[in-house]
Amino acid sequence: GAVVSQHPSWVICKSGTSVKIECRSLDFQATTMFWYRQFPKQSLMLMATSNEGSKATYEQGVEKDKFLINHASLTLSTLTVTSAHPEDSSFYICSARGRAYSNQPQHFGDGTRLSIL
Amino acid sequence: DAKTTQPPSMDCAEGRAANLPCNHSTISGNEYVYWYRQIHSQGPQYIIHGLKNNETNEMASLIITEDRKSSTLILPHATLRDTAVYYCIVRPSSNTGKLIFGQGTTLQVKP
Repeated sequence: GAVVSQHPSWVICKSGTSVKIECRSLDFQATTMFWYRQFPKQSLMLMATSNEGSKATYEQGVEKDKFLINHASLTLSTLTVTSAHPEDSSFYICSARGRAYSNQPQHFGDGTRLSIL
Repeated sequence: DAKTTQPPSMDCAEGRAANLPCNHSTISGNEYVYWYRQIHSQGPQYIIHGLKNNETNEMASLIITEDRKSSTLILPHATLRDTAVYYCIVRPSSNTGKLIFGQGTTLQVKP
């Protein structure tokens, strides 16, 4: 089945640093990738949608200058949390889908747990 | 996208069938029903999806009512490893594909 790999799985860093998270589709070309955030005991919240070669579309309330998304190829998208602070600590999850505008399901990575000290 | 309603939690005995309901009374004609589950500290796992016909795969069966206003996910022989949060989501095939997650149903499979 479709596999999405996310790296790193866990990161701890100091307040003020920037953190990059990678999301790769391993056995298919992902025209669209999605980034979600999940706080403890809550559901997933969609942050942004990225299409290969174009700018990401952010959900309302998500700061695009804070969460930089790059989708430079059909198999890789990156999320950079810039100048991270403790309130950015969360579980970040990416997903990917092949052909756009179809009923194909998204497949998710295993998430990145980000802890900002 | 149509909203879904699921019970917050359910219990199921190991080896028995787990039937997870989902209401989506405002579903549109072009909206599919998707089921995902999330085991603790992992990313969501795709289970199954359908439009109007019942669907079955190696993981589960999806039963959609004739009026499409509700559906049921069936895990035929639940195991302890099926303990997870199950999400029912509807979305049209015509949009960008983004999934909006509700609170889901926490299924606890008990020995």
